[in-house]
Amino acid sequence: ETGVTQSPTHLIKTRGQQVTLRCSSQSGHNTVSWYQQALGQGPQFIFQYYREEENGRGNFPPRFSGLQFPNYSSELNVNALELDDSALYLCASHRAGETGELFFGEGSRLTVL
Amino acid sequence: GQQVMQIPQYQHVQEGEDFTTYCNSSTTLSNIQWYKQRPGGHPVFLIQLVKSGEVKKQKRLTFQFGEAKKNSSLHITATQTTDVGTYFCAGPPRDDKIIFGKGTRLHILP
Repeated sequence: ETGVTQSPTHLIKTRGQQVTLRCSSQSGHNTVSWYQQALGQGPQFIFQYYREEENGRGNFPPRFSGLQFPNYSSELNVNALELDDSALYLCASHRAGETGELFFGEGSRLTVL
Repeated sequence: GQQVMQIPQYQHVQEGEDFTTYCNSSTTLSNIQWYKQRPGGHPVFLIQLVKSGEVKKQKRLTFQFGEAKKNSSLHITATQTTDVGTYFCAGPPRDDKIIFGKGTRLHILP
């Protein structure tokens, strides 16, 4: 167990809806990164949060947004859902400034119909 | 932008055979990491290589980092059914944002 927890584990939405995914980072980790993993693909970097601010972003549109809270937990919000947003969304935590191990949660599997 | 490429995409081996996956980056990496993801699971960290030409072993797994720090390999000796999964290499092109390759999916034939 990594100590990173994500919720919900599974959810189904329809096109145009909005979704919020949540992540609690491992104790002592102040940086959270979010990844999207489509079926059969590698994790794609969405963005990273450090000290409650976005600290780097991958090639994702603005309808993908996030938050980090003072306790280092984080949320990923996706607006105007599209069919291609169906994927496993992974949260990973680590200590800032360390390019070492990422600790992943179990992921939230989103299906958009 | 920075890309991390892995080959092969899929590999089927008989149990007991060896397996190798290769990772190539379009830019120099400060370090490279390897992760394993079991079917239905999440990526789990295996190892990090930092030095040019570095070689590390974990039981039947051997990891190498190229001299130019742009390529890496993972070799598994005498595969077992527990080795099934997808192996990803990942590296930070800058700062600490870690970029993943597409992975190599390993199937073990009994």
